[in-house]
Amino acid sequence: DTEVTQTPKHLVMGMTNKKSLKCEQHMGHRAMYWYKQKAKKPPELMFVYSYEKLSINESVPSRFSPECPNSSLLNLHLHALQPEDSALYLCASSYGQGGTDTQYFGPGTRLTVL
Amino acid sequence: AQKVTQAQTEISVVEKEDVTLDCVYETRDTTYYLFWYKQPPSGELVFLIRRNSFDEQNEISGRYSWNFQKSTSSFNFTITASQVVDSAVYFCALSAGSDTGNQFYFGTGTSLTVIP
Repeated sequence: DTEVTQTPKHLVMGMTNKKSLKCEQHMGHRAMYWYKQKAKKPPELMFVYSYEKLSINESVPSRFSPECPNSSLLNLHLHALQPEDSALYLCASSYGQGGTDTQYFGPGTRLTVL
Repeated sequence: AQKVTQAQTEISVVEKEDVTLDCVYETRDTTYYLFWYKQPPSGELVFLIRRNSFDEQNEISGRYSWNFQKSTSSFNFTITASQVVDSAVYFCALSAGSDTGNQFYFGTGTSLTVIP
């Protein structure tokens, strides 16, 4: 089973709202990722967690706050977002954070910021 | 520096035609991995294949085949007898740079439309 699940599928929020995106995998993977994808563009890496510790933060604004409660769960907390943050947010996981390890992606959350 | 180039932005073919999607990569690492992903309109990135830099054998999986050539730094993807369900954006990706955690470097994607 190579399934990564994400909730919600769609999210509309105002600039003053606080919301969270959730990602879950039960493949025993120890690395989890958040990507942001704008229309007609490739995914852009935001954060990487390896063994539940943040290992890569690609200079993402502080209005995005990741959290990894355990090895199966990854959250992305959103606060005071801007309209330009509207995008598809993809979660992925891999067995490790090495180049040999395929990243498996979830279906994404389509976020609209009004 | 790591880089992936997918020069074909959009391709349209008629159903049952063969189509090849090009991918050219740049890396100074001797060990690296190449991937192809499919992204249908639903949004999920679906893994298709992984190839490491030491394995230049071509691979065939049903109607899909991949041609890896280190001499030209290319990893091209061919769909034989295309079907409407093949319509999607296809991304080629490179995993390299052990000093930076083997990040994925995606190409800009090729949007394939198969016309019935």
